[in-house]
Amino acid sequence: DSGVTQTPKHLITATGQRVTLRCSPRSGDLSVYWYQQSLDQGLQFLIQYYNGEERAKGNILERFSAQQFPDLHSELNLSSLELGDSALYFCASSDPTGFRRGYTFGSGTRLTVV
Amino acid sequence: DQQVKQNSPSLSVQEGRISILNCDYTNSMFDYFLWYKKYPAEGPTFLISISSIKDKNEDGRFTVFLNKSAKHLSLHIVPSQPGDSAVYFCAASAETYGQNFVFGPGTRLSVLP
Repeated sequence: DSGVTQTPKHLITATGQRVTLRCSPRSGDLSVYWYQQSLDQGLQFLIQYYNGEERAKGNILERFSAQQFPDLHSELNLSSLELGDSALYFCASSDPTGFRRGYTFGSGTRLTVV
Repeated sequence: DQQVKQNSPSLSVQEGRISILNCDYTNSMFDYFLWYKKYPAEGPTFLISISSIKDKNEDGRFTVFLNKSAKHLSLHIVPSQPGDSAVYFCAASAETYGQNFVFGPGTRLSVLP
């Protein structure tokens, strides 16, 4: 158990629908990152939040949005889903002093759009 | 434009032999590098790191080499074990500039008994 909790583990939904993925960072970590891993692809950075504020944005589609709440958990909202959105979505967290060991990842949410 | 490249999608090695995984980067501002290991149905886990002030870092069976002039790093696993079979991601960051890590596409290592 990495300490980063992602729910749900699996999600199957239809095209056009909207889903919310949830992430609880490791205790004490202020930064949360969202990554997408499509089939046989690398980890594509979507967005980062630090202590409730958006810090950096990657290749995140306009149909996707995220937020980090006062208790530091984060949610990634995916709307108007398309078949190509099927992927593994990882959340990771880090603290300012832990940079040198990189990020701690959750086990991911597997999204299947049918 | 991929800033971090892992040109071998997969690699097979016999148990007990050396595994060498390669990573190339294009951004000369990158000054800190990590390797992550990922098993199926799990998130990536930190394996080993190296700063640009060094050219080698060792941790048990794992050694990372950095060639700054060639913008190339490699991960050596000696001896390879079946439990090392996983996907390995290289990640780079311009730490000095407070930038986030950029990940490569990964290399799937299979260690054959």
